[in-house]
Amino acid sequence: NAGVTQTPKFQVLKTGQSMTLQCAQDMNHEYMSWYRQDPGMGLRLIHYSVGAGITDQGEVPNGYNVSRSTTEDFPLRLLSAAPSQTSVYFCASSGRALNTEAFFGQGTRLTVV
Amino acid sequence: GDSVTQMEGPVTLSEEAFLTINCTYTATGYPSLFWYVQYPGEGLQLLLKATKADDKGSNKGFEATYRKETTSFHLEKGSVQVSDSAVYFCALSDVNAGKSTFGDGTTLTVKP
Repeated sequence: NAGVTQTPKFQVLKTGQSMTLQCAQDMNHEYMSWYRQDPGMGLRLIHYSVGAGITDQGEVPNGYNVSRSTTEDFPLRLLSAAPSQTSVYFCASSGRALNTEAFFGQGTRLTVV
Repeated sequence: GDSVTQMEGPVTLSEEAFLTINCTYTATGYPSLFWYVQYPGEGLQLLLKATKADDKGSNKGFEATYRKETTSFHLEKGSVQVSDSAVYFCALSDVNAGKSTFGDGTTLTVKP
């Protein structure tokens, strides 16, 4: 089973460049989320979606855009990369049931120079 | 809003020692509670979960009980192994909101 697939695994950007982190899940999950993980700060929610066509902001949305045109895909766009966006990014998906857990991708390690 | 507070790390133990990682939460609804584990270079994966008060989740020798009266979900293991070295995250899920809230993570190192 593929689960949640994130690409790329590593990326180096120059300040001001834009890019899209890809996330796809094959479990037909309604909910998808993007988190960033920084040392000593745990996981912080960037954006999330409760279904195709529906997105909402999380704790740290500035500098990022998302869209959810299909159930399977939830790309994260960095509009103009800044060094403060250097982080490890995780995509997660989960179903609607009360006791369902989140399934995570392997992460994208992004460095902005 | 919802929040999760974990005991600060890092935690270093000798093999076969007893482990407790404290976790408390604040939530407006009736969340499900989870412990996730992250091994180096990997994403988070579910360790155990509980969905209602007094439920006990267990897996791989780890246990945690959903205590509504103290809003806690402490992780315990009676005898840790070197292979348990990882980062542990406590989390709650509000299924109505479609998102999870995570603690800051606790790094556990087990020495032989």
